Amino acid sequence: ELKVEQNPLFLSMQEGKNYTIYCNYSTTSDRLYWYRQDPGKSLESLFVLLSNGAVKQEGRLMASLDTKARLSTLHITAAVHDLSATYFCAVDNYGGSQGNLIFGKGTKLSVKP
Amino acid sequence: GAGVSQTPSNKVTEKGKYVELRCDPISGHTALYWYRQSLGQGPEFLIYFQGTGAADDSGLPNDRFFAVRPEGSVSTLKIQRTERGDSAVYLCASSLTIGGGADTQYFGPGTRLTVL
Repeated sequence: ELKVEQNPLFLSMQEGKNYTIYCNYSTTSDRLYWYRQDPGKSLESLFVLLSNGAVKQEGRLMASLDTKARLSTLHITAAVHDLSATYFCAVDNYGGSQGNLIFGKGTKLSVKP
Repeated sequence: GAGVSQTPSNKVTEKGKYVELRCDPISGHTALYWYRQSLGQGPEFLIYFQGTGAADDSGLPNDRFFAVRPEGSVSTLKIQRTERGDSAVYLCASSLTIGGGADTQYFGPGTRLTVL
């Protein structure tokens, strides 16, 4: 059974600081998804990582995928308050793209002035 | 264009009642997914459709849950004999297709179901 683990689950940061969120998964997969969820809102797609070594950046967020280590990271650079949200990673349950996504529990990020 | 829409946004029902939750996917998206999310947890997969057929219903928790997508567009998630443990936010998502890099799932706002 595929397991997706994120850490930390809670992260309180000061504005301007850097930090990394980790996403480990237990079985082979060649793609990984990152989503953002604001309180009371639905999920917003951030990144789709489609191959080993993939790196994608959008603003202050950068995501990478190491399929051999079964690890993805979401790096936050010079955090700002607007990044406060819960971040989820998700992996396809069948290792490819079959539609059945398994999500981590999420990392609740709070950026304080 | 319009995103995924779900109705109702909130549904309060009594234990034992029947409920239907509706999802309108993004126009042209062939794949449609249902998840449910409990407080403080990530979404949990229920079922997905490719076209009209359920391609994977392995996440449906028991036979009280059923979903249809008769014309390959709108989908309805049906829950019979609701239980308090069914209370959650039910999320619908759609994607252009399955696989091939065009399978990013776009989520709707969800239906918050409360079973009293």
